[in-house]
Amino acid sequence: DIQMTQSPSSVSASVGDRVSITCRASQDISGWLAWYQQKPGKAPKLLITAASTLQSGVPSRFSGSGSGTFFSLTISSLEPEDFATYFCQQANSFPGTFGQGTKVDI
Amino acid sequence: QEQLVESGGGVVQPGKSLRLSCVASGFTFSYYALHWVRQTPGKGLEWVASISHDGSKSYYGDSVKGRFTISRDSSQNTLSLQMHSLRAEDSATYYCARDRYDFWSGYPTFKWFDPWGQGTLVTVSS
Repeated sequence: DIQMTQSPSSVSASVGDRVSITCRASQDISGWLAWYQQKPGKAPKLLITAASTLQSGVPSRFSGSGSGTFFSLTISSLEPEDFATYFCQQANSFPGTFGQGTKVDI
Repeated sequence: QEQLVESGGGVVQPGKSLRLSCVASGFTFSYYALHWVRQTPGKGLEWVASISHDGSKSYYGDSVKGRFTISRDSSQNTLSLQMHSLRAEDSATYYCARDRYDFWSGYPTFKWFDPWGQGTLVTVSS
């Protein structure tokens, strides 16, 4: 299976900060990467597919980039509701595998 | 709105069986592949099983192959996961999730998971 490694594992930030999270794949996955947001006690929510395609209803302060083995999720200006854990997921080969998560807290 | 609601979790002894259910609403059930994904604090998110939109194909993770069975009932809009020979390492929150795109959309399937249910907790312990 393809291994996904996120960094950092956690980041402390303030409202208004710009935050970037990276995700590295153990092999080339082209652009087959998604990002999910998970709040405590809730299910993951799909934010971005195909590395950079924002899902309907997701605020434009979220953006994704990358291809091959290196990807990033950027939140341009943190809002209070963005404090959560973020996961990447590769979909180049079945089954999809997830990163271990990055917690964004205050 | 599109919704998935899981049930059936609980505490079960090692070696026993448990059946999880997931009732879907708000979308055409028979158009979408469906999945089970589990989550633990230690191992994170782990894909468990998937079933095609028409139920003709099913797929399993290595850790559950031969012990778990995924199935779907379009008359009841229900996805199920029958779990046998449960082990302590099967303890997790189990989520059902729908494929992002339906079979007829022309978009790739078995790629992204959206939406997810709220999860049901399974604890395997004596």
